[in-house]
Amino acid sequence: NAGVMQNPRHLVRRRGQEARLRCSPMKGHSHVYWYRQLPEEGLKFMVYLQKENIIDESGMPKERFSAEFPKEGPSILRIQQVVRGDSAAYFCASSPGVRYEQYFGPGTRLTVT
Amino acid sequence: AQSVTQPDIHITVSEGASLELRCNYSYGATPYLFWYVQSPGQGLQLLLKYFSGDTLVQGIKGFEAEFKRSQSSFNLRKPSVHWSDAAEYFCAVGPGDYGGATNKLIFGTGTLLAVQP
Repeated sequence: NAGVMQNPRHLVRRRGQEARLRCSPMKGHSHVYWYRQLPEEGLKFMVYLQKENIIDESGMPKERFSAEFPKEGPSILRIQQVVRGDSAAYFCASSPGVRYEQYFGPGTRLTVT
Repeated sequence: AQSVTQPDIHITVSEGASLELRCNYSYGATPYLFWYVQSPGQGLQLLLKYFSGDTLVQGIKGFEAEFKRSQSSFNLRKPSVHWSDAAEYFCAVGPGDYGGATNKLIFGTGTLLAVQP
């Protein structure tokens, strides 16, 4: 049973470019979460989505960041006009429901040059 | 405010010695509690979880944790550490049974465990 899959594993973008991070949840999981891990910090919640719906985006920066989880296909975290401060590891997690534990993917390491 | 505190940033133990990693939380109601482990460059692996019931929970790799409501703590323990346990350990809290629509986790800043031969 495949776990949570994220791609790419490493992504390098120049300042001002767009970054697209993809997450495929575990089979049977319809709840997806995005977290960001900055150097020397723990993980910070960004957004929680179910299929076609954003449930909680309280941790998402107000500008340049967006997330979606369409009916078909992976969840996408999109960062427009990246800046150096966006360099971090971005982790996706999934769960089968709202009161279940979350299983994490391997992460996407974003480097902005 | 909701928060998780892991007071030990780094811990070094000898192989075969016992281990206890501390975790304290501040939360409005009884939360769900988790411990995750992260090896360098990897994702997070769930070690164990507490939702309700017996306050001593067993996890994978020989780890256990005890929920103490009066102390708002959820400390992780292992009786005999192996060199392969060297990693970073994160405590996390999530909404409990009455947490509403969200399911976001709040993480501590982690404890980096080194194991001496």
